[in-house]
Amino acid sequence: DAKTTQPNSMESNEEEPVHLPCNHSTISGTDYIHWYRQLPSQGPEYVIHGLTSNVNNRMASLAIAEDRKSSTLILHRATLRDAAVYYCILRDGGYSGAGSYQLTFGKGTKLSVIP
Amino acid sequence: NAGVTQTPKFQVLKTGQSMTLQCAQDMNHEYMSWYRQDPGMGLRLIHYSVGAGITDQGEVPNGYNVSRSTTEDFPLRLLSAAPSQTSVYFCASSETDRDYEQYFGPGTRLTVT
Repeated sequence: DAKTTQPNSMESNEEEPVHLPCNHSTISGTDYIHWYRQLPSQGPEYVIHGLTSNVNNRMASLAIAEDRKSSTLILHRATLRDAAVYYCILRDGGYSGAGSYQLTFGKGTKLSVIP
Repeated sequence: NAGVTQTPKFQVLKTGQSMTLQCAQDMNHEYMSWYRQDPGMGLRLIHYSVGAGITDQGEVPNGYNVSRSTTEDFPLRLLSAAPSQTSVYFCASSETDRDYEQYFGPGTRLTVT
């Protein structure tokens, strides 16, 4: 699997936008970019994913660079509930058999939200 | 739907003891998996199943067994607990192994002394 690089930690003020960066310079053409987050003492939860185009959903936006070597998860208005570890994960969209669609979690970015 | 449930929430074992971590989902998902998370680390895949009767190994399978006799349940067995297995264990499920969204349970915190 191609690797991702994320900052260890970031801080944001409450009610301000947050941009969480992810570098993936070795991404392949079939790799999807997934973001999950893990709230304290909980299991991870899906946030968003994309391939080439920017994506929006009720939780966040995903901005993907034109060369796909980096992406940014955007939380439009941070709340205290958004304090979590955010994981950027590449997942090969080319199916090569059962179990090939595994998620590989790195250490992620710990986001702190300041009231 | 209850989603993905795990029991117990906490467990303390002595070295050499065996136990089973339970995982169940009520979403009729075909794909289920077990991860472990050590302090300050990301999750690592232990075992997974693409359907009833089918299981396979992930990244760190040693010391663990799984079986999948029903679609709903995917228990994880520790055969002879070791301190290195102290960790938080998460179960996850998705409709298929190709699905982009996996649903995770709340986790089981296991301590082996």
